Amino acid sequence: DVKVTQSSRYLVKRTGEKVFLECVQDMDHENMFWYRQDPGLGLRLIYFSYDVKMKEKGDIPEGYSVSREKKERFSLILESASTNQTSMYLCASIPGGISNQPQHFGDGTRLSIL
Amino acid sequence: AQSVSQHNHHVILSEAASLELGCNYSYGGTVNLFWYVQYPGQHLQLLLKYFSGDPLVKGIKGFEAEFIKSKFSFNLRKPSVQWSDTAEYFCAVYLRGAGKSTFGDGTTLTVKP
Repeated sequence: DVKVTQSSRYLVKRTGEKVFLECVQDMDHENMFWYRQDPGLGLRLIYFSYDVKMKEKGDIPEGYSVSREKKERFSLILESASTNQTSMYLCASIPGGISNQPQHFGDGTRLSIL
Repeated sequence: AQSVSQHNHHVILSEAASLELGCNYSYGGTVNLFWYVQYPGQHLQLLLKYFSGDPLVKGIKGFEAEFIKSKFSFNLRKPSVQWSDTAEYFCAVYLRGAGKSTFGDGTTLTVKP
C-alpha cells in the first residue's frame, strides 16, 4: 500500500520565519502535490511536480516555493511565514502518465503561524 | 478556468436517511472524476472514481455516483447512511493532459444516531 509521510502533524512557527514542510512517498510515484486545506475552501493546489527538479505552479503559489531533489521527496517552503499561511497542508502523490489513479494523501501538517 | 462546485456545505441527516451530494464541474475537455472522503482525524481517501465506461460507479461502503456528461455532474449517493459516514466529502476533477486535479469546497456530512 502506498504510504505518503509528512514529517510533522503539528507545527508552530513565528511570523517571518522560513518554514520547511517535508513529504516522502514510498511508491516511486512521479507526480507529487502540495495543497492547503481551509474550512469552506476545500483543497487548493499550491505547487506540483511531475519529475525530479521539475515544478509547476498551482492555483495559489504566492509566498511558497518547492524543492524536488529526489523522486521520493517533495518539500514545501514558506520563505517568510505570515499569519495568513496558518492552515492544514496536505501532500499527495500519483503515478506519472496514469490519469485514472487516485491521489494518495499524507496525514497532513497543521501549521500555525504566530 | 476550470471549477468544481459542491452545492451543499453542510448536510445533517438521521441514520437510515438517503444521501445525495451534488457535484458539478466546468471544463469542456476529457476528465476523470473522483469522490474522496476524510473521516475525522484521518487522511483523505478514495471513495470512488470514474474515468470511462458505465457512468454509474460503485465505491466503498455502499456509496455510488452517476456521471451525467450533459449536465457536467457527478453526484454521490447512498440509500441509507450510518453514523460512521459522518465525514467531509470532496469531489475532484482530474484534467487529462494538465496533470492536476481541481477539488470542490467539500461537504461536511453529519449523521445523527
